[in-house]
Amino acid sequence: DAKTTQPPSMDCAEGRAANLPCNHSTISGNEYVYWYRQIHSQGPQYIIHGLKNNETNEMASLIITEDRKSSTLILPHATLRDTAVYYCIVLPTTGGTSYGKLTFGQGTILTVHP
Amino acid sequence: NAGVTQTPKFQVLKTGQSMTLQCAQDMNHEYMSWYRQDPGMGLRLIHYSVGAGITDQGEVPNGYNVSRSTTEDFPLRLLSAAPSQTSVYFCASSPLPGQGHTEAFFGQGTRLTVV
Repeated sequence: DAKTTQPPSMDCAEGRAANLPCNHSTISGNEYVYWYRQIHSQGPQYIIHGLKNNETNEMASLIITEDRKSSTLILPHATLRDTAVYYCIVLPTTGGTSYGKLTFGQGTILTVHP
Repeated sequence: NAGVTQTPKFQVLKTGQSMTLQCAQDMNHEYMSWYRQDPGMGLRLIHYSVGAGITDQGEVPNGYNVSRSTTEDFPLRLLSAAPSQTSVYFCASSPLPGQGHTEAFFGQGTRLTVV
């Protein structure tokens, strides 16, 4: 399974965009990029996922580079409630033994300041 | 729609005791899994199941047992609790490929302390 590398921590001012990078240089063609976050030891929460096109939903945008070796999660207007640990995970979603086995690294601790 | 429900939320065990952590989901998901999270660490997969009657080991299965008799329930058993099993346990469920969105839904966790 492809490994991911994220910065251990980032800060962001409230109301500004938070851009969280993730490196996944060994990603395979059938692996998607997923983002989850964990707020204060609660259960992780799904944010967004994508294969190769940029994606946007009500929570965030996901920008994947053309070579798919890295991606950026964008929270367009960060709030204090967005303070959390953000995990970037690559995962095949076409079945096989790796399906569903989320591999959580250390993630990025995002702190949103007033 | 409750999602994924874990019970109990907190538990203190003595070394050597056994117990079962309960997990139930009401989304008709075939895939369910158990993770543990130690302080300052990411989640690690203990066991998972791709449907009723089918279970398999994850990254850290030793000391734990699971069974899947129904689609809804996926209990995790600690056979003989050890202090090293002090952790926060999360249950998750997700649909199988082709059954809709593939994101995982997590419970709120069970905080277990073994003394």
